[in-house]
Amino acid sequence: QLQLQESGPGLVKPSQTLSLTCTVSHGSISNGVYYWTWIRQYPGKGLEWIGHIYYTGITSYHPSLKSRLTMSQDTSKNQFSLKVTSMTAADTAVYYCARGNPNSSGWGIYFDFWGQGAPVTVSS
Amino acid sequence: DIQMTQSPSSLSASVGDRVTISCRASQSIGSYVSWFQQKPGKAPKLLIYAASSLSGVPSRFSGSGSGTDFTLTISSLQPEDFATYYCQQTHSSPYSFGQGTKVEIK
Repeated sequence: QLQLQESGPGLVKPSQTLSLTCTVSHGSISNGVYYWTWIRQYPGKGLEWIGHIYYTGITSYHPSLKSRLTMSQDTSKNQFSLKVTSMTAADTAVYYCARGNPNSSGWGIYFDFWGQGAPVTVSS
Repeated sequence: DIQMTQSPSSLSASVGDRVTISCRASQSIGSYVSWFQQKPGKAPKLLIYAASSLSGVPSRFSGSGSGTDFTLTISSLQPEDFATYYCQQTHSSPYSFGQGTKVEIK
């Protein structure tokens, strides 16, 4: 069964850049037509889709975060990554990586596999 | 952006009860809704996608709706079903979530 595991620092200082990596096992990120996705959950429990990188390398980002985001993939390591610049306290959240699976209809996707989550606190 | 509004925000129910959670989209989104269950300290778990397709979960879970109004139903609540439930639209990016419904023991 596909597994995803986030890794990265649990604490980031304000104005610094957050770097997270998701390692995928029991499946290849370069096979298939999946959207390798980042989602975060705020302390108040709200969930926010951050963006995804398609298996072709094409990215799509949340408009409100677009200027601060970079997503990439390393197929040799079966990993994909997220960078968020200019971090503030408002970015404190649990960051999840997930697989986006396209609907058979050809429109829409669903998120069927998730990592366990990486808590990130922004504080000096 | 599409807004997803869930109701109620919380409910109390007993084992064996039928539970219904609603989700309304701010514009028509076809059938592009997923439902997730989340327990404390765990990642959300996909229950239903495309409004009514089950993702390997018990048949007591069902989903319905299209356009702007969607429903998640648990036909007979089991002890392991006490959790928080979220809807999500995947019609168009950014793929937004509802604010969640916490199902508690009565």
